[in-house]
Amino acid sequence: NAGVTQTPKFRVLKTGQSMTLLCAQDMNHEYMYWYRQDPGMGLRLIHYSVGEGTTAKGEVPDGYNVSRLKKQNFLLGLESAAPSQTSVYFCASTTQRLVDVYFGPGTRLTVL
Amino acid sequence: SQQGEEDPQALSIQEGENATMNCSYKTSINNLQWYRQNSGRGLVHLILIRSNEREKHSGRLRVTLDTSKKSSSLLITASRAADTASYFCATDGDSSYKLIFGSGTRLLVRP
Repeated sequence: NAGVTQTPKFRVLKTGQSMTLLCAQDMNHEYMYWYRQDPGMGLRLIHYSVGEGTTAKGEVPDGYNVSRLKKQNFLLGLESAAPSQTSVYFCASTTQRLVDVYFGPGTRLTVL
Repeated sequence: SQQGEEDPQALSIQEGENATMNCSYKTSINNLQWYRQNSGRGLVHLILIRSNEREKHSGRLRVTLDTSKKSSSLLITASRAADTASYFCATDGDSSYKLIFGSGTRLLVRP
């Protein structure tokens, strides 16, 4: 049982490049989330999903797209990276009871 | 804007002392949770308190909830250097689908 895993752990992009972050969970959780955390700040919700094939916008969705084609995977895409997207990205998952959220280890993204 | 706001932003105490941090939120909630984040790591769930509960204990942790004031506090008793971390509150706000996190309290426990 690996819990929540994220790929990659680190990435450096140039402005305008695109990339996809992969989140995988093996706990059969319905709900999955992408958060970003900027230095010294809390987590801000980017997008979330309440089940396979569904996605919804969070607090800061602009510049990001997501897909949940399989229940265990939640992908976060940056179509044209900007320096303002430099951050640490955390994926999380939980059951419909929303009582215990499991986080991945994070992806540190730098956009030059 | 964020649902939860923690106070203080940073706290430095001596090992063995108690640490208290507070969280205020804006909307009605079903439950409030506290998480801990060690530097550079993901968040780890500590404790959950439901909206119909006023106090909850777990080991050295004590959480209170005052729904009339829309506030919660986390007390860590007999702190240890290993408690050094950031602590975040999270609420489900007006949604049953997502958790919104506060800005966190950075706790430093000096040996």
